[in-house]
Amino acid sequence: DAKTTQPPSMDCAEGRAANLPCNHSTISGNEYVYWYRQIHSQGPQYIIHGLKNNETNEMASLIITEDRKSSTLILPHATLRDTAVYYCIVCYRDDKIIFGKGTRLHILP
Amino acid sequence: KAGVTQTPRYLIKTRGQQVTLSCSPISGHRSVSWYQQTPGQGLQFLFEYFSETQRNKGNFPGRFSGRQFSNSRSEMNVSTLELGDSALYLCASTGSAAQYFGPGTRLLVL
Repeated sequence: DAKTTQPPSMDCAEGRAANLPCNHSTISGNEYVYWYRQIHSQGPQYIIHGLKNNETNEMASLIITEDRKSSTLILPHATLRDTAVYYCIVCYRDDKIIFGKGTRLHILP
Repeated sequence: KAGVTQTPRYLIKTRGQQVTLSCSPISGHRSVSWYQQTPGQGLQFLFEYFSETQRNKGNFPGRFSGRQFSNSRSEMNVSTLELGDSALYLCASTGSAAQYFGPGTRLLVL
């Protein structure tokens, strides 16, 4: 079973920041938080991952709470092309990925 | 670097047949994982190969099998196809940061 809980869907206005929450209260000390997204009928796309510290790359920022029991993926300026299902995953590095149902993000024009 | 490639992209088979899907990982990646995605069950892990050895296995029947070659390319085989095997089959190769997925093979079993 997936170790994460995400809202099934969210809306965000184009140009605004999209903040996608994820709960992972049973995360172990060495487990990472990964985010992937899947645009309709394509393979999942890696976005970002982190262990304890907040992370930022060209796609997004990842904010992990100090107790590591939850995290937030931030897309700073959402565009219509960001419409996708976003998966938050907790696993050990190099371990198999157990996907949950993810959050279906709708970007509204 | 080229991404993960999968062939064929689309496939139609009939019940009882067998099928072989191919995956070429990103150059330098030695681990290849396979996933099945259906509308009802979502994305499910099938198995993982590393250096030609199966390192991890999901909860699928023995009709689903795979192998990996010395160049890290991988194949998965499904024998005695059932209607429920219709799905998007995804391959991912593991790099230093994460798993990187291919576009998938969409299999339709009639």
